[in-house]
Amino acid sequence: EVQLVESGGALVQPGGSLRLSCAASGFTFSSYWMTWVRQAPGRGLEWVAKINQDGSEKYYVDSVEGRFTISRDNAKNSLYLQMNSLRAEDTAVYYCARDVDRGGDLDYWGQGTMVIVSS
Amino acid sequence: DIVMTQSPGSLAVPLGERATINCRSSLSILSTSTNKNFLAWYQQKPGQSPKLLIYWASTRVSGVPDRFSGSGSGTNFTLTINSLQAEDVAVYYCQQYFSTSISFGQGTRLEIK
Repeated sequence: EVQLVESGGALVQPGGSLRLSCAASGFTFSSYWMTWVRQAPGRGLEWVAKINQDGSEKYYVDSVEGRFTISRDNAKNSLYLQMNSLRAEDTAVYYCARDVDRGGDLDYWGQGTMVIVSS
Repeated sequence: DIVMTQSPGSLAVPLGERATINCRSSLSILSTSTNKNFLAWYQQKPGQSPKLLIYWASTRVSGVPDRFSGSGSGTNFTLTINSLQAEDVAVYYCQQYFSTSISFGQGTRLEIK
């Protein structure tokens, strides 16, 4: 059974940093692109970043470019999101999701981890 | 960037009736080389993560009831839910994956009238 379990969400002050993790199981992690999607409270879905199978290709939404870094450790079946210079508008539930390899639709999602940026 | 616009923002439909949700992309998301539309639909029930329903604009994911169907091409797409059931109450999102920078519509909240 495919499982994605996020962790690392917390309350952090503006300007602070946080590292999110996503533990994957039930599939060959190293064979799939992986994606982070976020959802601000009461709002819609926003794509954040994606990474290819070996970590050599990374893409970001403009609003996080230069502040967030996506990475992965295939030996640990884990996906990460390093978030620096956090802003109030980064407050959201962050989901990791598996890219189906059709181009970018997402067939499995984790339960999400909450990040609150507030003083 | 490709902007996805859904309509309506919310709708209420009686049980057993049809619900129709529209999605428009700011650019064509039809690949001329594969003749496939890079469009997916998701369902998000309250308190849950999104669930993939349809990809390539009209292909249902295995296990999704056949009352869910997708149609459209190029820039205009539709999700149709026939014979609405109580468990279909959710927010529905379209998503384009034609561009490396994927994007979602703002969502359509579906309720029972």
